[in-house]
Order: sequence, then C-alpha cells, then structure tokens
Amino acid sequence: DTGVSQNPRHKITKRGQNVTFRCDPISEHNRLYWYRQTLGQGPEFLTYFQNEAQLEKSRLLSDRFSAERPKGSFSTLEIQRTEQGDSAMYLCASRPNDPKPGNTIYFGEGSWLTVV
Amino acid sequence: AQSVTQLDSQVPVFEEAPVELRCNYSSSVSVYLFWYVQYPNQGLQLLLKYLSGSTLVKGINGFEAEFNKSQTSFHLRKPSVHISDTAEYFCAVQGAQKLVFGQGTRLTINP
Repeated sequence: DTGVSQNPRHKITKRGQNVTFRCDPISEHNRLYWYRQTLGQGPEFLTYFQNEAQLEKSRLLSDRFSAERPKGSFSTLEIQRTEQGDSAMYLCASRPNDPKPGNTIYFGEGSWLTVV
Repeated sequence: AQSVTQLDSQVPVFEEAPVELRCNYSSSVSVYLFWYVQYPNQGLQLLLKYLSGSTLVKGINGFEAEFNKSQTSFHLRKPSVHISDTAEYFCAVQGAQKLVFGQGTRLTINP
C-alpha cells in the first residue's frame, strides 16, 4: 500500500499563470476527493469523484478550477489564471470501494501552491 | 447539513500533562465522527473514528475520544502528552459522501 501520492509537493507561480496538480489514489479506491486548506483553517471540500464521474462540486470551485479523473485512476486539478487568493495547500484523498458509511478517507501529503 | 466547531484554536500544555481538545458537531443524519492529526508540512492522518457502539473510542498514539450524543460533542483526550504530539488536530463529521472539518486546534507541548 503506497498511500495517496500527490505532486508536485510545492509550486510557486506568478499570478495569472495556470497550474496543474496530480493525485494518484490508493490502488483500487474508486472514490477520490480534493480539498483546499488555507493557513490556520481546516480542509474545505472542493470536489469528489466516483470512478471517472465527478459527482459533487463545491461552490468554492470557481470556473477557473477544473478537476478530471479520465480513467477512474489518477486525477488532476487545474487552476487557470491563478490569483493570490488561490495560495493554499491542495489535498487529495481516496476512500475504499466498500460503500459502508464511515470508511476511512486516506489523505495525501498535499500540494502547496504559492501565487506571487 | 453537517458542521463541526472546535472550541479552541490553540491549546498549550506541559509535557506529560493531560489534554482535552474540544469538538462539537451538528448533523441531521447518522453521525460518523473522526479526529485527524496533521504534523507540520504533512497531510492528515486518522487518529480515531466513531461509527456506532461504545461511546469511548481508542485511537493511535494513546489518544481516545468520547461521543456524547446529548451534548453533541466528541472531545479528544490524552492522559499524558509528549513533545511529539505537537501538531494540528482536526475534528470531522462525515456527510453523505464527504468529510466536513472543523477549523482545527493547534496543540503545543512545552517542556
């Protein structure tokens, strides 16, 4: 079990540039989540996939944000025309296939974004 | 809708002292509650979870939490803390498919 893998771990970009983060979930987990965490705050839900289907999106996910999971395995989160307010840690998580409520959601180590 | 309130943003304690981190929740459906720990520059690691059954839940690293339905609380406790427990602690409630987190409590251990 290699855990949830995210890259890059750190990204510094200029305002207005596009950035993309990748998440590789735990093997065979069909549920994948993206969260955003700003300094001193708890993680905030962004979006959720079951296999390749994006089932829920938060209102935090403006039209500059897009997430994909084309083959139901890894996922990407792209932010277009970055703004300083996008500076945060972006966390990916995955969950086992068993639909039983309360199954543990496993988190990656996060991708830090700094927009300058 | 589910929500979580962590009543203390920071808790300083001395090493080997007991600690309690407070969490209150609101949920209109079945309650599944979690505590996660985040060490500096790392992701979140599950400490413990309550799904049903015994209201006292034991987790890793000597932590435990008690589910109290009447007070809608899920406080985290440890009888004797260590320097290595310095971290951010997050309480969370599970909604339909996702976790809803509190704002976190920073636990600092003084020698």
